[in-house]
Amino acid sequence: SAVISQKPSRDICQRGTSLTIQCQVDSQVTMMFWYRQQPGQSLTLIATANQGSEATYESGFVIDKFPISRPNLTFSTLTVSNMSPEDSSIYLCSVGGPLGTDTQYFGPGTRLTVL
Amino acid sequence: TQLLEQSPQFLSIQEGENLTVYCNSSSVFSSLQWYRQEPGEGPVLLVTVVTGGEVKKLKRLTFQFGDARKDSSLHITAAQPGDTGLYLCAGGRWPGGYQKVTFGIGTKLQVIP
Repeated sequence: SAVISQKPSRDICQRGTSLTIQCQVDSQVTMMFWYRQQPGQSLTLIATANQGSEATYESGFVIDKFPISRPNLTFSTLTVSNMSPEDSSIYLCSVGGPLGTDTQYFGPGTRLTVL
Repeated sequence: TQLLEQSPQFLSIQEGENLTVYCNSSSVFSSLQWYRQEPGEGPVLLVTVVTGGEVKKLKRLTFQFGDARKDSSLHITAAQPGDTGLYLCAGGRWPGGYQKVTFGIGTKLQVIP
């Protein structure tokens, strides 16, 4: 299984500012995923980060709000832009498990509070 | 409307008790995963089931995939405080791909010593 780290682990931010979350994997992976986990709601996929191409966003999420970088096969960043209290959430990155399975390995998450 | 309904959403039991949590849907899944998430951590994979009727055991945990591949259950025998956490089920759909995986809201389990 992959070992994934995220930075920061938590942050408290002011409305209108932006925060960039980093995700580092201990092995090279083709796809990395960014999820949002809000209280009382299921994990929601924000986007798929592919190395060498633009990220693919899910319905309801746009690049201007959640720009993603994927400079190499072990690293990705997610920026939460122009934050509002509604963006308060846990943000998780993940990578896929063995080919042909739907399993994923998750990072420890970034707990974001927007005041 | 949640594609995957988990029940109960909250469960508080005494150490040593048995429990079952459920993951139900009206949709058919190609596979189903169970994860456990502890506070301040990401979800950790417990098991994947792929065949209708499949039963898998992981020490005191027993996972079952429904015959019709629409539901699953997780049974814990003699629960321990270390079992405390959020249990998430996730279902994969054809034609496959991680983007097709749907997560339930989770069952928050507290095991009291």
